[in-house]
Amino acid sequence: GAGVSQSPRYKVAKRGQDVALRCDPISGHVSLFWYQQALGQGPEFLTYFQNEAQLDKSGLPSDRFFAERPEGSVSTLKIQRTQQEDSAVYLCASSLHAAQYFGPGTRLLVL
Amino acid sequence: GQQVMQIPQYQHVQEGEDFTTYCNSSTTLSNIQWYKQRPGGHPVFLIQLVKSGEVKKQKRLTFQFGEAKKNSSLHITATQTTDVGTYFCAGAGNNRKLIWGLGTSLAVNP
Repeated sequence: GAGVSQSPRYKVAKRGQDVALRCDPISGHVSLFWYQQALGQGPEFLTYFQNEAQLDKSGLPSDRFFAERPEGSVSTLKIQRTQQEDSAVYLCASSLHAAQYFGPGTRLLVL
Repeated sequence: GQQVMQIPQYQHVQEGEDFTTYCNSSTTLSNIQWYKQRPGGHPVFLIQLVKSGEVKKQKRLTFQFGEAKKNSSLHITATQTTDVGTYFCAGAGNNRKLIWGLGTSLAVNP
């Protein structure tokens, strides 16, 4: 595709509900990153894949957060038992070299 | 842990005035990247600086990387309304993980 796509664009969840956020990276991009961005803040690193290998997951806030990229392309970020503090925009970025190309993000609101 | 500080947090200028944002890292960086995020949008890559003392220009934008590779700046000459947005620096250590500053939000009065 022309760019990174993410779905859904908006998600409202009740506290305690599980959610799954999808990222379709640019074709051929080896690296894929997930970020969490709160209002008025910079993106906070969550996790990073190189192909299907999750090389760094140091930014995942708790064991309720889980990410996968089983075939080295599409990635899913799953949040179990959502809490209100999980409300944020979740950004996915893919990269071939240095520059990271971001998708439009998924805005998650936990009520 | 590694931190990247960015100042100022906000800047309000008249169209035609210059603008500068500064970025400081607590540790030496392997490279630094700059991104622009328009209101309601996502970050868009502007440039990467790798070498100590490097200076790069993109039209009215000038990017600098400090000699110690711990600080950087972005200068915009003669701002235009299209420059409105938040400018982020993001520093990389020895891996691909980027540590982002909080950004400088630029508002331009026409």
